[in-house]
Amino acid sequence: NAGVMQNPRHLVRRRGQEARLRCSPMKGHSHVYWYRQLPEEGLKFMVYLQKENIIDESGMPKERFSAEFPKEGPSILRIQQVVRGDSAAYFCASSPFAQGSYGYTFGSGTRLTVV
Amino acid sequence: KQEVTQIPAALSVPEGENLVLNCSFTDSAIYNLQWFRQDPGKGLTSLLLIQSSQREQTSGRLNASLDKSSGRSTLYIAASQPGDSATYLCAGLLIKAAGNKLTFGGGTRVLVKP
Repeated sequence: NAGVMQNPRHLVRRRGQEARLRCSPMKGHSHVYWYRQLPEEGLKFMVYLQKENIIDESGMPKERFSAEFPKEGPSILRIQQVVRGDSAAYFCASSPFAQGSYGYTFGSGTRLTVV
Repeated sequence: KQEVTQIPAALSVPEGENLVLNCSFTDSAIYNLQWFRQDPGKGLTSLLLIQSSQREQTSGRLNASLDKSSGRSTLYIAASQPGDSATYLCAGLLIKAAGNKLTFGGGTRVLVKP
């Protein structure tokens, strides 16, 4: 079991470019969560998705950010027109059930640097 | 709104001393609480998961307790080693109609000196 796979591990983008972060959940997990960790800050919830559905996006910035979890393939967190303030570590987690009874398993994260 | 707090933010102890890390939460309707370890520049490693119906969980030198009535969880690490140096995060899970949400504390950065 490969665990939660995130790629790329490191991503450098110039201001105004788009960033695409990918997350493949653990085998058998159909619930995906994205969190952001700003420098010297804690992890903040962004969005919760199931296959083809956004369940809770209350933590997503209103503009430039979007997420999807298609029927086939990984979950994608997309940031359009990146700004310096988007520089952070983005973590994906997955769980087998909606209730999180078995806890969350996190990936190693994607560290986005906007220059 | 669930808030999770970890005090102290940083802790330094000599090798061999026991570690006590505190976590408090505001919403007693917590479903479960999970402790994680994060090494610098790395991801999160799950250490212990305590269900709301449980009082504690143990794994090797680690023991975590949960007291819903007082809104507290404590992580004990016995006989600390330099390899225990890391940031420890607690996170509480709430089940809401809109979907569950794991809320993290700010973490306690631990340094174990040889």
